[in-house]
Amino acid sequence: EPEVTQTPSHQVTQMGQEVILRCVPISNHLYFYWYRQILGQKVEFLVSFYNNEISEKSEIFDDQFSVERPDGSNFTLKIRSTKLEDSAMYFCASTPNWGLDEKLFFGSGTQLSVL
Amino acid sequence: GESVGLHLPTLSVQEGDNSIINCAYSNSASDYFIWYKQESGKGPQFIIDIRSNMDKRQGQRVTVLLNKTVKHLSLQIAATQPGDSAVYFCAENIENQAGTALIFGKGTTLSVSS
Repeated sequence: EPEVTQTPSHQVTQMGQEVILRCVPISNHLYFYWYRQILGQKVEFLVSFYNNEISEKSEIFDDQFSVERPDGSNFTLKIRSTKLEDSAMYFCASTPNWGLDEKLFFGSGTQLSVL
Repeated sequence: GESVGLHLPTLSVQEGDNSIINCAYSNSASDYFIWYKQESGKGPQFIIDIRSNMDKRQGQRVTVLLNKTVKHLSLQIAATQPGDSAVYFCAENIENQAGTALIFGKGTTLSVSS
């Protein structure tokens, strides 16, 4: 069964450093998402992306965050200057189409630890 | 702000019992609800969904019930198995909201003992 893959599974970085989290969505999917989950808390929406553009973003997704689809397969989340509170599990997700009841397929996540 | 939440953070059951996980939502404009299962070290996995024009939907060993009057959603798991042990999240979506930005609740940890 096709799946969303994320690398690395764990990322440790120093505060103020830039990190890039990578995702390979399912190949025929067109809509891509980043969510994050701080330890013990709920999953929070960050951003959605379609046709090389951000279609929606949350308040969390401030100027420190950016997303990119650099080629036909990868979808990346960049945090320019990490803060301690950016420590979380970051999930990438994709769907084949946009619609009310399109099911999101999630990757296994990247655990980001900012020291 | 309005959000989706769960009644209980943890639920412990015996193998073979039926489990009921509850979720209260406050956004009356929500049109679509989903239950996700998250096992340790993995991303959320879709279990079952229901649209707001329905009050019940059944899958394999799972049933979702929606009560729009009291804004309540529940997930029933029949004959719970150890493999069902995970964190369960309910999530909601609104039809006019672009990008399918799901709003998740905080999660209920289901522990199944043999």
